[in-house]
Amino acid sequence: ETGVTQSPTHLIKTRGQQVTLRCSSQSGHNTVSWYQQALGQGPQFIFQYYREEENGRGNFPPRFSGLQFPNYSSELNVNALELDDSALYLCASSPRGRNEQFFGPGTRLTVL
Amino acid sequence: SQKIEQNSEALNIQEGKTATLTCNYTNYSPAYLQWYRQDPGRGPVFLLLIRENEKEKRKERLKVTFDTTLKQSLFHITASQPADSATYLCALDMSKNNDMRFGAGTRLTVKP
Repeated sequence: ETGVTQSPTHLIKTRGQQVTLRCSSQSGHNTVSWYQQALGQGPQFIFQYYREEENGRGNFPPRFSGLQFPNYSSELNVNALELDDSALYLCASSPRGRNEQFFGPGTRLTVL
Repeated sequence: SQKIEQNSEALNIQEGKTATLTCNYTNYSPAYLQWYRQDPGRGPVFLLLIRENEKEKRKERLKVTFDTTLKQSLFHITASQPADSATYLCALDMSKNNDMRFGAGTRLTVKP
């Protein structure tokens, strides 16, 4: 059984640019959540997708957007990057009807 | 506002002893609470989930308690080993918006 995978592993962007991060869910998991984790902090919920629809959103501005595809993979898009967007971005998938989340290794984004 | 506090940024204990980590929360009544382990540069790994109507949950050397009156969860690792050294995160189900709210984590170091 393949776990949650994310790409790329690391990314460097400059302020004002746009970025797309990708996530492949664990097999059989139909719910995907995205988190931002700053250094020394716990993950902060960005949003969740279920059946290709946004199913909940945390306190993040609209320039953070996402997609979920029919195969349950997902993308996180961030427009107009700011320096404070530098963080580890984590994707987590959950099996239907279960609450525990299975996290990917994350994408380390650096905004210069 | 809702807060989650993990009391101690860092905890150092001797191998073989029991590690006890604390998670306190305010202004909320979660339906369940989860504990995760996170190693440097990796995504969190799910350990245990405990529901509001459960007082205690065990899994091998791990034990979690949940006191909804005190608004506190305790996470115990018995017979600790150096391999248990990691950051441990508690996460509360906020129900609204499918938001999982994480604490900042406690970094546990088990010394041989």
